[in-house]
Amino acid sequence: KNEVEQSPQNLTAQEGEFITINCSYSVGISALHWLQQHPGGGIVSLFMLSSGKKKHGRLIATINIQEKHSSLHITASHPRDSAVYICAPLTGGGADGLTFGKGTHLIIQP
Amino acid sequence: NAGVMQNPRHLVRRRGQEARLRCSPMKGHSHVYWYRQLPEEGLKFMVYLQKENIIDESGMPKERFSAEFPKEGPSILRIQQVVRGDSAAYFCASSKKKGAEAFFGQGTRLTVV
Repeated sequence: KNEVEQSPQNLTAQEGEFITINCSYSVGISALHWLQQHPGGGIVSLFMLSSGKKKHGRLIATINIQEKHSSLHITASHPRDSAVYICAPLTGGGADGLTFGKGTHLIIQP
Repeated sequence: NAGVMQNPRHLVRRRGQEARLRCSPMKGHSHVYWYRQLPEEGLKFMVYLQKENIIDESGMPKERFSAEFPKEGPSILRIQQVVRGDSAAYFCASSKKKGAEAFFGQGTRLTVV
């Protein structure tokens, strides 16, 4: 069973700050999703990565497969970034092998 | 190219009624996954389907829950004789093939009263 730990669980920051959310998992994986969920809202897939680093706008995701660790960074954070960010490592071949972290509740204050 | 479409977005059912949740995958996607998110808990896998086949239903409760993905039309998650504990957000995701990136829908929030 894949144990997924996210930190911090809750994070409040000021607009413009650089945000880092960490994810550690316990078993070997083939890839990892970072997901975003707004309160009462749907789930948006931000990244799926299996090595190195990916960048999309102000979001950067990195993964170290050997160390079983991934990070999500947000540069120049904005109140609209306020959401729950969920790390979901993928064991096995398909999304039935996704294990989900409990999420990091991020609030960006203006 | 529309994303994954789920309907209804919100569903209220009385105890004992049936709930039918629909998921239309992204165009070109033939793999569908259903997840449940209980209040204050993380997402949990329920079932994985391909067209006309259930591939993995290891996360689905043995009773009252069923899922299908017919040749034509959306995937359906069906909950019979709903109970208060079934109140949750149900999310569907789809992918083009096994191992490809999965895209999620907006979810259906089921409330059992």
